[in-house]
Amino acid sequence: DQQVKQNSPSLSVQEGRISILNCDYTNSMFDYFLWYKKYPAEGPTFLISISSIKDKNEDGRFTVFLNKSAKHLSLHIVPSQPGDSAVYFCAASAPGNQFYFGTGTSLTVIP
Amino acid sequence: NAGVTQTPKFRVLKTGQSMTLLCAQDMNHEYMYWYRQDPGMGLRLIHYSVGEGTTAKGEVPDGYNVSRLKKQNFLLGLESAAPSQTSVYFCASSFDRPTILPQHFGDGTRLSIL
Repeated sequence: DQQVKQNSPSLSVQEGRISILNCDYTNSMFDYFLWYKKYPAEGPTFLISISSIKDKNEDGRFTVFLNKSAKHLSLHIVPSQPGDSAVYFCAASAPGNQFYFGTGTSLTVIP
Repeated sequence: NAGVTQTPKFRVLKTGQSMTLLCAQDMNHEYMYWYRQDPGMGLRLIHYSVGEGTTAKGEVPDGYNVSRLKKQNFLLGLESAAPSQTSVYFCASSFDRPTILPQHFGDGTRLSIL
């Protein structure tokens, strides 16, 4: 059973607007969350992370929000740029070494 | 700096054949991982290693074996390939636990089992 879910397979946004990618999880033991970005024919690259002791983490145009009570995670990209077009994966882990990945959301930023 | 290199990039096998996928990293990372990515499933952890000579099972280990004889290399073996193992395989490494330092991924190996 999928413990980390990204229910939107795709998202299209106009350049300059905000992109919001969502992620839900079921395991209340998860205490660390990451977002990865993946271009075609390449491996995922780390984007941003957040620990469960925080509810927000910001890095430039990227902000991750965590709502523990709702078991929900979101990535905001402001402003969106055409180079942001990629597949975005969220991942979560409980104490230990294993990460669980979502199925990914394909973001297209329209110039 | 090559980072994480996976060999080969593409391979087609017949059912029952065996093969080994090689992952090499030049960053002196302790932790190494093998994932598979299937449509609609995201990335799933097959096996991982927390140091030279160590291996551990991940979420979907059946049908695969791994070895970490050298710190820089992590090998994934398929002893008797099955069509269900058709997938894109990613290797990753990290200097410390991924909750401290993020994983670096290779570009993947696309494997088809006929």
